[in-house]
Amino acid sequence: DQQVKQNSPSLSVQEGRISILNCDYTNSMFDYFLWYKKYPAEGPTFLISISSIKDKNEDGRFTVFLNKSAKHLSLHIVPSQPGDSAVYFCAASVASGTYKYIFGTGTRLKVLA
Amino acid sequence: NAGVTQTPKFQVLKTGQSMTLQCAQDMNHNSMYWYRQDPGMGLRLIYYSASEGTTDKGEVPNGYNVSRLNKREFSLRLESAAPSQTSVYFCASATGLGQPQHFGDGTRLSIL
Repeated sequence: DQQVKQNSPSLSVQEGRISILNCDYTNSMFDYFLWYKKYPAEGPTFLISISSIKDKNEDGRFTVFLNKSAKHLSLHIVPSQPGDSAVYFCAASVASGTYKYIFGTGTRLKVLA
Repeated sequence: NAGVTQTPKFQVLKTGQSMTLQCAQDMNHNSMYWYRQDPGMGLRLIYYSASEGTTDKGEVPNGYNVSRLNKREFSLRLESAAPSQTSVYFCASATGLGQPQHFGDGTRLSIL
């Protein structure tokens, strides 16, 4: 039973355009969500987070949107750059409960120059 | 500014051998975690330590043991390695509840 799903294994986008990565979850108790970026042979790096009390959080070129009724979150990267090419994981937790995060399977983003 | 350091980076074992993966963080974080990542799957939590002196099971603890040696170090032990434990293992740490985790660069473990 996969509680956090990233249904697109890969995505290709032209440099300068918008990249939209999607994540769906099934557990309505999740109230804290994160996005990580991972380059080959490195560990994941924290990118941006959002609490369920918000529906949007921005940090520079990165914006995360949360739609609680649809149990859906998305990461927007504008403008996309070749250095953004990586695997992106979303993760969810019940922040008030435990320290445990449930990760999605990842989306490989390729930004074409 | 090392962050989270994992040793070794690569290891090949034979079935039945034992091995300890080491992890150390220099960020004075309270909580530490061990994950495994398999092809086509997300990171799955093996064990975690909410604070020094405590450890708890994650999603996939069978076949593993952990030790929170002190606030800095959290080790993962495979007592009798099996081919199903071939994976990339990541250690992570965080300041505490609900905070983003900082990851090491992983240990690539192959069991023949």
